[in-house]
Amino acid sequence: DAGVIQSPRHEVTEMGQEVTLRCKPISGHDYLFWYRQTMMRGLELLIYFNNNVPIDDSGMPEDRFSAKMPNASFSTLKIQPSEPRDSAVYFCASRSAGAGAGNTIYFGEGSWLTVV
Amino acid sequence: KQEVTQIPAALSVPEGENLVLNCSFTDSAIYNLQWFRQDPGKGLTSLLLIQSSQREQTSGRLNASLDKSSGRSTLYIAASQPGDSATYLCAVPSGGYNKLIFGAGTRLAVHP
Repeated sequence: DAGVIQSPRHEVTEMGQEVTLRCKPISGHDYLFWYRQTMMRGLELLIYFNNNVPIDDSGMPEDRFSAKMPNASFSTLKIQPSEPRDSAVYFCASRSAGAGAGNTIYFGEGSWLTVV
Repeated sequence: KQEVTQIPAALSVPEGENLVLNCSFTDSAIYNLQWFRQDPGKGLTSLLLIQSSQREQTSGRLNASLDKSSGRSTLYIAASQPGDSATYLCAVPSGGYNKLIFGAGTRLAVHP
């Protein structure tokens, strides 16, 4: 398998613009996670899905952030409107539910977002 | 609220040294603990996962131990190599086994 695939890898956008980040999880994985990484706050879980259903979005910082998973092989994280403080690396990750707590989580290489 | 702390924040060692990275967590009621590696500009790669019932896990030159009662884990790297240079993060689930709380990481540099 090619692993978790994210796009775009790098995005520079102007404040106020809409940003859409995309993720293709590993085929067969039941869980999909969106994380954000910044120097100040480290890695934070934003939202996760199980079988395409959002389970916990308590980490989504504001209503400007939204995430969808229309099918098992695709998810988006949207920021509208974007602000400079949204600049961060956004990671998508997935894992199988097969062995419950014991399954390894696999991360994509991240989308590096800069809002100017 | 679970908090994860990693010490030291950065470490620079000559090639060949054995080294220990430390991770501590405040709530000992954990399902497991994971160690990850992150290379610059890359995502995280899981290195070792220790279940709460286990004391340690080994993979090659890596050995991770877990002491739940004291809220500590260590990652031991034997005979370090320049290719081991990366940031190492530990993480524990909190509020269910899907919500990982990460430490800030230890940035390791192994020089030839």
